[in-house]
Amino acid sequence: SQQGEEDPQALSIQEGENATMNCSYKTSINNLQWYRQNSGRGLVHLILIRSNEREKHSGRLRVTLDTSKKSSSLLITASRAADTASYFCATEGGGTSYGKLTFGQGTILTVHP
Amino acid sequence: NAGVTQTPKFQVLKTGQSMTLQCAQDMNHEYMSWYRQDPGMGLRLIHYSVGAGITDQGEVPNGYNVSRSTTEDFPLRLLSAAPSQTSVYFCASSGFAGGTDTQYFGPGTRLTVL
Repeated sequence: SQQGEEDPQALSIQEGENATMNCSYKTSINNLQWYRQNSGRGLVHLILIRSNEREKHSGRLRVTLDTSKKSSSLLITASRAADTASYFCATEGGGTSYGKLTFGQGTILTVHP
Repeated sequence: NAGVTQTPKFQVLKTGQSMTLQCAQDMNHEYMSWYRQDPGMGLRLIHYSVGAGITDQGEVPNGYNVSRSTTEDFPLRLLSAAPSQTSVYFCASSGFAGGTDTQYFGPGTRLTVL
């Protein structure tokens, strides 16, 4: 079963606009990670946020984590056509679940030039 | 560093055939894993390994075998291919580095079982 549920399933925006994707999960986690996948390619790690962190930034990316609501969001600011891809959240459980990621079904982002 | 490499990139099998998907990493990572990705879905964990000689099952292990004789290599074997195993397979690795670490993914193997 997939722990992460992502919303929306698809998002279409214009260049320069911000894109926000949400992820919800069901069980306690050690950390939550966001990945990008270009069509037909492998996954690229974007950002990792630990369970004791609330917000993290990396360039144009901003990730928030609310463990009380079991949810996270990924914000991409000033989007570019090159940001067009699928974005996945993945959770790593605690304890013996080290390294075992559970992925959501992804959000397909299309950025129009 | 080449990172995580996977071969072949594409493969077509007939039902009942067996094959091995190869995965190698040159980052001296202890942790390696195999995922499958079906259309419109996220990745699901098949098997993983926390070091040479140690493997364990993930979420969807049936029909697959793995072994880890070296730190660098983590092959995935399909014993008797079935159409339900048509998917894209990704190998990933990460170092322990004392705790949670980024996972690095290979480019994938696209497998079709007829």
